[in-house]
Amino acid sequence: GQNIDQPTEMTATEGAIVQINCTYQTSGFNGLFWYQQHAGEAPTFLSYNVLDGLEEKGRFSSFLSRSKGYSYLLLKELQMKDSASYLCAVMDSNYQLIWGAGTKLIIKP
Amino acid sequence: IAGITQAPTSQILAAGRRMTLRCTQDMRHNAMYWYRQDLGLGLRLIHYSNTAGTTGKGEVPDGYSVSRANTDDFPLTLASAVPSQTSVYFCASSEGESGTDTQYFGPGTRLTVL
Repeated sequence: GQNIDQPTEMTATEGAIVQINCTYQTSGFNGLFWYQQHAGEAPTFLSYNVLDGLEEKGRFSSFLSRSKGYSYLLLKELQMKDSASYLCAVMDSNYQLIWGAGTKLIIKP
Repeated sequence: IAGITQAPTSQILAAGRRMTLRCTQDMRHNAMYWYRQDLGLGLRLIHYSNTAGTTGKGEVPDGYSVSRANTDDFPLTLASAVPSQTSVYFCASSEGESGTDTQYFGPGTRLTVL
């Protein structure tokens, strides 16, 4: 079956760096997405990786290793507003998104 | 403001009742999707539409139906609601020009079936 694994919850300190990991096993691969979802709100797009390597976008970076079925989202200079759930999703061979359950990130002052 | 709207925001429904969740986008996106989100689980695709006039089944289609009469609207109907359909429902859309287009989400409908 298809499976996306990410930690359920992480805690970090304001101003620090945190890395959220995602491992996947899917039927085919057409890219990996990261979304942010604040409590009670809709998911919003953060990043897309289809080739191996690091994509940097401001304070957020996303890394992909297709051979390892692995990605991470790196958040730098954490702010209180970064408290949210971070969703990893892989697009399979049918171009359908398979979603992880999300990682709830708690930022402490 | 461009984007996706969903209605209602929340609803409490008696089991056995029929319910239609509405979704409208004004971005002229070709593809639209319905997901449900349950605690501890990832978003699960219910139905999708790659273009107006076509629909397809996702991972969890049973008990739900959709239609896509035009580009903007993609309603989701529960013919006879059951308590297991209690969930948060998100509608999403993407340009549909390529299969890997980013999906943009509406604000969600919180549905409780008693």
